[in-house]
Amino acid sequence: EAQVTQNPRYLITVTGKKLTVTCSQNMNHEYMSWYRQDPGLGLRQIYYSMNVEVTDKGDVPEGYKVSRKEKRNFPLILESPSPNQTSLYFCASSISGTVLNSPLHFGNGTRLTVT
Amino acid sequence: AQTVTQSQPEMSVQEAETVTLSCTYDTSESDYYLFWYKQPPSRQMILVIRQEAYKQQNATENRFSVNFQKAAKSFSLKISDSQLGDAAMYFCAYRSAISGSARQLTFGSGTQLTVLP
Repeated sequence: EAQVTQNPRYLITVTGKKLTVTCSQNMNHEYMSWYRQDPGLGLRQIYYSMNVEVTDKGDVPEGYKVSRKEKRNFPLILESPSPNQTSLYFCASSISGTVLNSPLHFGNGTRLTVT
Repeated sequence: AQTVTQSQPEMSVQEAETVTLSCTYDTSESDYYLFWYKQPPSRQMILVIRQEAYKQQNATENRFSVNFQKAAKSFSLKISDSQLGDAAMYFCAYRSAISGSARQLTFGSGTQLTVLP
């Protein structure tokens, strides 16, 4: 089944403890992206990747890191999480960043709570 | 930068009735793409419908249709014969067609739709 898989689904952590949210897609998509969803703000883009080893900042990149060493994986890293990073996170992919009408395929989301 | 506005945080509709969710956007570009996504309680983001700005014809997908008014920068979603399964948060989204700015999808703040039995 074609899908974007995020793990974990829920995560509770403490301020400053490094964490990684994994994202993997099995559709051979070139484009991958991370979003955070907050009430009243919709989804805001954190980082995106046009292809392997090509990443760039979105609208809200502060406090996050990403890497794209393989086509299928695009982990989101929080080196020193803070309470303002408590949010619902989505990974998404599409066939290409240049095929503009191609829809994004989303993972099931990761609910992160930082205390 | 483009902005997308959904002015209705919450809407409700009676089952089998029709409801329209509004979306406006701000852009100086002439070519772009517009999308409606649905997010049910499961949190999964599901594409409902998409529209290319260069197409005058409004997109339709079964019970879902859009009213795309390019000059007014409006992109409303009409749901006909509403069903209980349509209850969800609906997000409008914009994607530029200009190379370099086309990587990002800009989302509105969402409209929570309740379907009343």
